[in-house]
Amino acid sequence: GEDVEQSLFLSVREGDSSVINCTYTDSSSTYLYWYKQEPGAGLQLLTYIFSNMDMKQDQRLTVLLNKKDKHLSLRIADTQTGDSAIYFCAESLDTGRRALTFGSGTRLQVQP
Amino acid sequence: DAGVIQSPRHEVTEMGQEVTLRCKPISGHDYLFWYRQTMMRGLELLIYFNNNVPIDDSGMPEDRFSAKMPNASFSTLKIQPSEPRDSAVYFCASSQGQNYGYTFGSGTRLTVV
Repeated sequence: GEDVEQSLFLSVREGDSSVINCTYTDSSSTYLYWYKQEPGAGLQLLTYIFSNMDMKQDQRLTVLLNKKDKHLSLRIADTQTGDSAIYFCAESLDTGRRALTFGSGTRLQVQP
Repeated sequence: DAGVIQSPRHEVTEMGQEVTLRCKPISGHDYLFWYRQTMMRGLELLIYFNNNVPIDDSGMPEDRFSAKMPNASFSTLKIQPSEPRDSAVYFCASSQGQNYGYTFGSGTRLTVV
């Protein structure tokens, strides 16, 4: 079945690196995504990774995928106060069902 | 492009009233999704359309909820009659093709009193 899990909360100091983790259960995932939601706003796509990759870097963002353990992580380098938000991971499946399944979200708090 | 546009941004209504939420997807996107977000249940998929045709409505809570997409540039989600437990933020999202993620609207915050 589809189940995407994340820890609820992460607090870091400005300038440190943040690592947000996600686990999923369905091995037929094709793409995995990271979204960011700021207060009062919709979800914004940050980055995504194809399931046959194990790493993707995009400026301050690094996505690591361990397909064997069904574990996805998002690393934010030099975290800034503007990075404070809720981060969602999501998966799409190779089952013809188009809709993404989202995790519960991780609230990142960046302390000055 | 102005992105996915939802209206209204906020809606407060009394229990039993009909509520209609509106969405304009990004031009050229062939998929449209309706999600509901609550603290207790997180993001739940309600229904999605491909080329204006409903594909999966298994997430629609009950018969009080209905969604339409009369053309490629407009969709509605209707709740009739509304109940306090329907209070949530409702998001519309659209995408083009497969595997590049969605673009979300800013959401409609619905409060049913």
